[in-house]
Amino acid sequence: QKEVEQNSGPLSVPEGAIASLNCTYSDRGSQSFFWYRQYSGKSPELIMSIYSNGDKEDGRFTAQLNKASQYVSLLIRDSQPSDSATYLCAVGGYGGSQGNLIFGKGTKLSVKP
Amino acid sequence: GAVVSQHPSWVICKSGTSVKIECRSLDFQATTMFWYRQFPKKSLMLMATSNEGSKATYEQGVEKDKFLINHASLTLSTLTVTSAHPEDSSFYICSAAGFLAGVATGELFFGEGSRLTVL
Repeated sequence: QKEVEQNSGPLSVPEGAIASLNCTYSDRGSQSFFWYRQYSGKSPELIMSIYSNGDKEDGRFTAQLNKASQYVSLLIRDSQPSDSATYLCAVGGYGGSQGNLIFGKGTKLSVKP
Repeated sequence: GAVVSQHPSWVICKSGTSVKIECRSLDFQATTMFWYRQFPKKSLMLMATSNEGSKATYEQGVEKDKFLINHASLTLSTLTVTSAHPEDSSFYICSAAGFLAGVATGELFFGEGSRLTVL
């Protein structure tokens, strides 16, 4: 069974610090990887997507992918209280298998002012 | 990103009644939409894949006769929870796949979600 594992947290960091969120997945055939942010009572919002090994940066967010280790992470620099949310890691196959994403249970991040 | 709209955002109903949730893609045509369910403090679980003009594909353990999905147009998919019971109370979220130059990127864009409470 395909699985995506995340630490549930909560992960607490002070404002301005770097928050590091981690995710591992079981299916070696996975090709697409996503990080979603979900505020309480709201639907998920896409933060980052990454498809190849290495780092991908977008503003304060950096996604890192290591397919050999089946590991994907999200770094949030200069964390803000508004970043406090649950972050969902999602893993999928090729673009052709659109939408068949497997979600982790999410890591709750709390950024303290 | 793509805009997906869902309605209603919340609904309360009596046990035994049916509830319909609509999911619309506002700025693009979605041949495929996906319905997820999320219980409190749990992960998103894919319920079914909604295909325009054909029958939906249900995930294992999801009752197709209870969760009726209709995808009659390229911009609208509906989920009807029939004979709802308290255990069906959950957060239902629809989504559509993102495309770039006609190729699916694998990204999902989510509607706002519909919180169903069955009394």
